[in-house]
Amino acid sequence: EDKVVQSPLSLVVHEGDTVTLNCSYEVTNFRSLLWYKQEKKAPTFLFMLTSSGIEKKSGRLSSILDKKELFSILNITATQTGDSAVYLCVLSGNTGKLIFGQGTTLQVKP
Amino acid sequence: GAVVSQHPSWVICKSGTSVKIECRSLDFQATTMFWYRQFPKQSLMLMATSNEGSKATYEQGVEKDKFLINHASLTLSTLTVTSAHPEDSSFYICSASTGNIQYFGAGTRLSVL
Repeated sequence: EDKVVQSPLSLVVHEGDTVTLNCSYEVTNFRSLLWYKQEKKAPTFLFMLTSSGIEKKSGRLSSILDKKELFSILNITATQTGDSAVYLCVLSGNTGKLIFGQGTTLQVKP
Repeated sequence: GAVVSQHPSWVICKSGTSVKIECRSLDFQATTMFWYRQFPKQSLMLMATSNEGSKATYEQGVEKDKFLINHASLTLSTLTVTSAHPEDSSFYICSASTGNIQYFGAGTRLSVL
């Protein structure tokens, strides 16, 4: 059965800290792995990863995929209170449907 | 990135009435759109896949007569919650794909009194 497991489920840090969010998965037909950020509304897209070892970077956020070990990490450096959100790791298989992880709730304290 | 517009963002209705939610892809065409439901502190749950020009594909346990989906054009899908009851109160989110990435609408919070 396809599944996505995220860890930790919740995290509290202080501004300026660096955090690493983990995502492991099992899938029959892998197409891509996506990271989303969800605040009070619907998820907003962060990264799409399809190849191992290639880091995607956007400002203070970066992500990488290991297709051999079946995991991905999302790094956030110099965290800010605006980074507080639920971060979703999502798998896309050949059917086009998305398989969601449970999400990691990040709280950044001033 | 691509923009998906969802309307309304919040609706309150009386029990027994029907509510229509619209989902539009603003700058791309989407042959397939998806409808999700999300309960507090839970992840998104896929309700159905909306296919332009054909019937929607519903996930197991989702009543197709209760949640009517129409995908009349390449940029518009609608979800109608028929004869809404308080247990239908939830956060409904649509998404559309382009370039293997699903972009989500802002969501509709439905409260049924």
